[in-house]
Amino acid sequence: DTEVTQTPKHLVMGMTNKKSLKCEQHMGHRAMYWYKQKAKKPPELMFVYSYEKLSINESVPSRFSPECPNSSLLNLHLHALQPEDSALYLCASSQDLRQGKVRNSPLHFGNGTRLTVT
Amino acid sequence: SQKIEQNSEALNIQEGKTATLTCNYTNYSPAYLQWYRQDPGRGPVFLLLIRENEKEKRKERLKVTFDTTLKQSLFHITASQPADSATYLCALVDSGGYQKVTFGIGTKLQVIP
Repeated sequence: DTEVTQTPKHLVMGMTNKKSLKCEQHMGHRAMYWYKQKAKKPPELMFVYSYEKLSINESVPSRFSPECPNSSLLNLHLHALQPEDSALYLCASSQDLRQGKVRNSPLHFGNGTRLTVT
Repeated sequence: SQKIEQNSEALNIQEGKTATLTCNYTNYSPAYLQWYRQDPGRGPVFLLLIRENEKEKRKERLKVTFDTTLKQSLFHITASQPADSATYLCALVDSGGYQKVTFGIGTKLQVIP
């Protein structure tokens, strides 16, 4: 088991649905990440939050909307997705890396939400 | 453009041998390089990290080398076991963007009993 918990494990949604993915960590980490991974591809960075503020958005379409309600929680709100958005969505956390404070902090991943858009 | 290259073909080795996986990169100035293990349907798990000014790092049966001149890292698993079978991902953190961790495609290792 990992120290980053993601729910749900699996999600099937239609293109008109609205759903949310949830992620929780209790390691005191102040940086949290969303990655997307398709089969036989590497994880691709979507968003980074640092101290509950969005610091990186990798030009992700607006049908994906992240939210960081507090330092332990990270959500990804989904709306009007396309079938090509089907993938494994991974949440990760790390110590905050801003301004060279911590230069060698690895990512701690959850086991992901397997999303299928029909 | 920036690239991280790993041999995307599977590597099959006999149990007890040393597995060596390669990670090459271009157009990066990495602050450090990380290796992760990923099992099917699960998230990556961190294994080792090596900084730009380090040549080699070890942890139990794992060894990582980092050659910034060749722009290459090698990842070794000695005395390999069937339980080591997984996909191994190389990840770079560029010196200009500490929060952005970029992954290679990974190499699938199969250890044959």
